[in-house]
Amino acid sequence: EVQLLESGGGLLQPGGSLRLSCAASGFTFNNSAMNWVRQAPGKGLEWVSFISASGGRTYYADSVRGRFTISRDNSKNTLYLQLNSLRAEDTALYYCAKQSGRAAPGMGWFDPWGQGTLVTVSS
Amino acid sequence: QSALTQPRSVSGSPGQSVTISCTGTSSDVGGYNYVSWYQQHPGRAPKLIICDVSRRPSGVPDRFSGSKSGNTASLTISGLQAEDEADYYCCSYAGSYTFLFGGGTKVTVL
Repeated sequence: EVQLLESGGGLLQPGGSLRLSCAASGFTFNNSAMNWVRQAPGKGLEWVSFISASGGRTYYADSVRGRFTISRDNSKNTLYLQLNSLRAEDTALYYCAKQSGRAAPGMGWFDPWGQGTLVTVSS
Repeated sequence: QSALTQPRSVSGSPGQSVTISCTGTSSDVGGYNYVSWYQQHPGRAPKLIICDVSRRPSGVPDRFSGSKSGNTASLTISGLQAEDEADYYCCSYAGSYTFLFGGGTKVTVL
C-alpha cells in the first residue's frame, strides 16, 4: 500500500523557520516526482512546490519562491520542505503528494496524498 | 496567478446529476489537456477522481465524468449519492512548470 506520512509541523512566530518531512512507503520513491500542496484553514488547495525523482529539478509557486526549499533523500525515502521567513499567510495544512501519470512538472496529477501536517504562524 | 474559478456550491437530490465548472484562461485550462479533479471529505486528504480532463482512475465510480470546452473544464456527477457530499477541486497545468487549483466547490446532497 502506498503511504505518505508528513511530520514536522508546529506553531511558529513570523520570521521563523521549520522543516517538514514526508516519509514514503509502498512504491519506488526514487522513481517518483513529488509535490507539496497546502491548504489554509477553511480555504482551498494551493500548489507549493515540485521536485523531480532525482532531485535535480525543482519548481515553486510565486508565493513561496525564495523562502521555501524542497529537497529529498532517496536513500531514506523522504521528502522535505524547508520553510524560512514564515508569514501569517503561510499558516496551512501542508500535504505531500506523489506525482503520478507523467514525471514532467505540471503534467501529471497528485495521487496519493498524505494526511498533512499543520503549520501555524502567529505572534 | 489567480485561482481557477469554480462555483462556491452546487446541490442536488439523490439520483440527480450536478455539474461543476472550472474556468481558467488559454494559459492554463484552455492551453493544455492536463486537468485533474479531486474530492475532499471534511477532515480528510484530497482524493484523485479525474485526470487528463476525462480519465477516471481505477476504483472511481463511473458516475464521475470530466470534460473540457475552451477555457472551461467540467466535472459531472451523475446519479448523485449521499457519499458524494464533499468539496471538489479542479487543477490545471499553468505553464512554467506550475500547477493551479480552483477555489473549490461544495457539493450538497439534499
